[in-house]
Amino acid sequence: QKEVEQNSGPLSVPEGAIASLNCTYSDRGSQSFFWYRQYSGKSPELIMFIYSNGDKEDGRFTAQLNKASQYVSLLIRDSQPSDSATYLCAVKGGRTNSGYALNFGKGTSLLVTP
Amino acid sequence: GAVVSQHPSRVICKSGTSVKIECRSLDFQATTMFWYRQFPKQSLMLMATSNEGSKATYEQGVEKDKFLINHASLTLSTLTVTSAHPEDSSFYICSADLGWGTDTQYFGPGTRLTVL
Repeated sequence: QKEVEQNSGPLSVPEGAIASLNCTYSDRGSQSFFWYRQYSGKSPELIMFIYSNGDKEDGRFTAQLNKASQYVSLLIRDSQPSDSATYLCAVKGGRTNSGYALNFGKGTSLLVTP
Repeated sequence: GAVVSQHPSRVICKSGTSVKIECRSLDFQATTMFWYRQFPKQSLMLMATSNEGSKATYEQGVEKDKFLINHASLTLSTLTVTSAHPEDSSFYICSADLGWGTDTQYFGPGTRLTVL
């Protein structure tokens, strides 16, 4: 079973709408959760991190964490065409040789149409 | 702050040659750096964790004799792909964490390796 699961998409939303990206993880001991944005051919760029249950807002972005359900999401309000990218969910502390490493989902492709 | 650079950004080499990729933290000291590989349409896969002054920790399935990692200083880690073959063609990305109890990793811009 893959440790971090994301719907690959593509998720298509019209400009100005709310985009909702979801992620589930299997390691119940995970403590830190991250959302990265990756444009084609580029490396990931950190958007947000969240540690506690509930919501965390930063500008147009809101991360939501529910540890009981092992679920983390990212909402993007007022979506813009420039938000079109692949969004990677990452969880720290998965089953790797190093406790400091991040486990990434495969990413969800978001397309914001004008 | 928290800028990570990589060099080269793109390299094309012949099969059998070795390629060295540098990863530098420009405005902070990175005790720990990470090397990832990403194939097209796939997620980032951790290859190894590099700690300054000690041997790298490799993930299962990653050949340590093929992917040599050296973390000689707090701002530089290098990955050498030895005797590269076409199947090693990939996007190699390094990251570094800020330490000091933070979790956040910042990524370099990546190196696109093509082995002919």
